[in-house]
Amino acid sequence: GAGVSQSPSNKVTEKGKDVELRCDPISGHTALYWYRQSLGQGLEFLIYFQGNSAPDKSGLPSDRFSAERTGGSVSTLTIQRTQQEDSAVYLCASSLKPYNEQFFGPGTRLTVL
Amino acid sequence: GESVGLHLPTLSVQEGDNSIINCAYSNSASDYFIWYKQESGKGPQFIIDIRSNMDKRQGQRVTVLLNKTVKHLSLQIAATQPGDSAVYFCAEIHTGRRALTFGSGTRLQVQP
Repeated sequence: GAGVSQSPSNKVTEKGKDVELRCDPISGHTALYWYRQSLGQGLEFLIYFQGNSAPDKSGLPSDRFSAERTGGSVSTLTIQRTQQEDSAVYLCASSLKPYNEQFFGPGTRLTVL
Repeated sequence: GESVGLHLPTLSVQEGDNSIINCAYSNSASDYFIWYKQESGKGPQFIIDIRSNMDKRQGQRVTVLLNKTVKHLSLQIAATQPGDSAVYFCAEIHTGRRALTFGSGTRLQVQP
């Protein structure tokens, strides 16, 4: 079946603009995660959704970052007033349930000029 | 703060040799560990996992060893192939969290 998909694959924006990144998890997966990966670095947790529970936002670096998950499926990560330090690859993952294997999408490479 | 780290940033091996990638973690509450492989331009790909009630788990050509006493995790790849060249990350989850904490990665280079 289809894996996790993300769009766009690449996004170039100017400093100060808002961006939206989309994630389509694997159908039936209740858990959805957003991570950020800076060049040559490991993955940094941003936010986690599980079913209808309140999301775990503990990894969001600032209030310019927010995310939604509509209908328990598609998720959108929004970054407002982008800064150059926001440049990174943003990865989405989903799992059937917590503590299960997380399947990653290909990521969105964000470049803030 | 808690951390998951790797001893070697780059590992170069000859094709056909065995590879061992090491990882240290600091949180004694960690109870689930995963190794991921990431090729250039792609998202991480699951390799193998192990729960804290186990010391060893084997997959196809890969073995993960867990030493909870010293908080150490290793990934062994048998008969390393050029296709194994990638960055390898260890990651952990501990009770109370749902998201993975990742190490900084080790690049494995397989020489033909």
